[in-house]
Amino acid sequence: SQQGEEDPQALSIQEGENATMNCSYKTSINNLQWYRQNSGRGLVHLILIRSNEREKHSGRLRVTLDTSKKSSSLLITASRAADTASYFCAPRSGGGADGLTFGKGTHLIIQP
Amino acid sequence: GAGVSQSPSNKVTEKGKDVELRCDPISGHTALYWYRQSLGQGLEFLIYFQGNSAPDKSGLPSDRFSAERTGGSVSTLTIQRTQQEDSAVYLCASSLGDSRGEQYFGPGTRLTVT
Repeated sequence: SQQGEEDPQALSIQEGENATMNCSYKTSINNLQWYRQNSGRGLVHLILIRSNEREKHSGRLRVTLDTSKKSSSLLITASRAADTASYFCAPRSGGGADGLTFGKGTHLIIQP
Repeated sequence: GAGVSQSPSNKVTEKGKDVELRCDPISGHTALYWYRQSLGQGLEFLIYFQGNSAPDKSGLPSDRFSAERTGGSVSTLTIQRTQQEDSAVYLCASSLGDSRGEQYFGPGTRLTVT
């Protein structure tokens, strides 16, 4: 599987603000997934967007996908302290059952 | 329902000893993955099972590492003659094995080799 590159590497915002992070990848995909990792809850799958979708929502999360630019963004609205975590994107090609490869992620800190 | 479970949660072992890590995937998930995450490092893919067979062993770092899965369910990752550089958190994940590929992770086993 290919590795996505998350940007920025670090982001610090005030509680209640929105957080946006981006992912770029290199080759065509079937879907793109976002994962979150923090010390409390480990590594968790957040949301999946298919290659034929442009936008998807799940609670306070909004994901966009631009296949022409090979990029995706994850927006977290009305951030909370519990959103403090590292966020990783996983562009998925082929059959989809292969192992994940993560980049360095975006480390998000929510200031109280 | 129950998530992916791993045991032990922590393991401290002396250099040169063998260790066995266990993963119990979500019931019905045919695909099972092992990863390693060293301090400050990213996620390193080790091995993937579809059912009992391992189509992709490309990530195993050396022949001291092996894994098996029996009955299409529980998997064990064995590290022989452990070295200090094996110290890491070992994560297991499972998925339905379909084209979506969403993976569900266990809490990990923190291995410390002294």
